[in-house]
Amino acid sequence: NAGVTQTPKFQVLKTGQSMTLQCAQDMNHNSMYWYRQDPGMGLRLIYYSASEGTTDKGEVPNGYNVSRLNKREFSLRLESAAPSQTSVYFCASSGRQGHDTQYFGPGTRLTVL
Amino acid sequence: SQQGEEDPQALSIQEGENATMNCSYKTSINNLQWYRQNSGRGLVHLILIRSNEREKHSGRLRVTLDTSKKSSSLLITASRAADTASYFCAQRSDDKIIFGKGTRLHILP
Repeated sequence: NAGVTQTPKFQVLKTGQSMTLQCAQDMNHNSMYWYRQDPGMGLRLIYYSASEGTTDKGEVPNGYNVSRLNKREFSLRLESAAPSQTSVYFCASSGRQGHDTQYFGPGTRLTVL
Repeated sequence: SQQGEEDPQALSIQEGENATMNCSYKTSINNLQWYRQNSGRGLVHLILIRSNEREKHSGRLRVTLDTSKKSSSLLITASRAADTASYFCAQRSDDKIIFGKGTRLHILP
């Protein structure tokens, strides 16, 4: 099992550009999450998907959109990147939303110039 | 913000000593989890303690939970160089998991 995979590992964007971060899990988990991690801030939830076909906003959703493409895949899109979105982005999954431990991907380091 | 707080923010100890870090949270919880993050990596789950449990052990890890004080502690006994990492507590709240800001642990040789 690969667990949770994320692509790309690194990305540099210019202000105003768009991009999609990809996440996939092979553990047959129902719930998936997107977090961002900034120095001294811990992890903050951007969006989550409790099950296939549903998505909900987390603590910091502004400037992002998500798609739960199927049970395996959960993508995060930045429509018009801003320097404030420079961060490390982590995808995670769990068996049951809010109940089970979360398994994390390796992260995507995004820099917006 | 419902974000919890770890204490201390940073901790340096000699190899072989015990390391204790604390977590306080603000809302009622169903469970509280501890995670480790090595530099440049994703988080790895260490241990989960439910709200009706007071103490839990896993290898060199001991977690306690005091729901009356809304606090938890993580004890790592006989620390090793490989324990150098950041440690986060995560509370389940309103069907979301909310992470604290973490404690950076550095084990000195």
